[in-house]
Amino acid sequence: EIVLTQSPGTLSLSPGERATLSCRASQSVSRSYLCWYQQKPGQAPRLLIYGASSRATGIPDRFSGSGSGTDFTLTISRLEPADFAVYYCQQYGSSPLTFGGGTKVEIK
Amino acid sequence: QLQLQESGPGLVKPSETLSLTCTVSGGSISSSAYYWGWIRQPPGKGLEWIGNIYYGGTTYYNPSLKSRVTISVDTSNNQFSLKLSSVTAADTAVYYCARDSGANTVPGYVQPPYFFDYWGQGTLVTVSS
Repeated sequence: EIVLTQSPGTLSLSPGERATLSCRASQSVSRSYLCWYQQKPGQAPRLLIYGASSRATGIPDRFSGSGSGTDFTLTISRLEPADFAVYYCQQYGSSPLTFGGGTKVEIK
Repeated sequence: QLQLQESGPGLVKPSETLSLTCTVSGGSISSSAYYWGWIRQPPGKGLEWIGNIYYGGTTYYNPSLKSRVTISVDTSNNQFSLKLSSVTAADTAVYYCARDSGANTVPGYVQPPYFFDYWGQGTLVTVSS
């Protein structure tokens, strides 16, 4: 199975700053079938990005995804207070689906 | 607006079978465009995919759990269910049901599962005697 490693584990930033989150796969993710979720405490994950770079319905354009092969990035251009949360990547290029360990974006 | 709601016991004894049901409202589970999945999250930890099902009954399981998992669908009640046998403390987690909508975004020859765009609120299941 594909192992996804997210870095950093925690990102401490201020509102208005740019956040760059990394997701590295143990082997190439077929067709860039990688997605990103946001999870806040006590809530279910929320789909942000699929297919490495396509925004899900209703997701603001400050969220963008990029990458291919084994290296993927989620960028939040200007952090808003609602964006402080944990972010997970997930690959669906091969079964079983696997998730990364998460990156926590916290207020500095 | 599509909604999913998990239900079932919050406490299960070791070696017994965990049983949960997901009720879908605001949409039909029999839509050909979607699959339906279960994902779990141990307290304070990351996410683990358990398995998916199609309304016709085809299932896809995580190999790490396959020997203990059964997912079934009840189209007449717009529900799908999870059974996990021989549970231990390691199965303590928040269990989520979710809709897999990725089939709309990939070529037809790409097999599921894909990704999840609607999730239930989750239900905590504790395994303890």
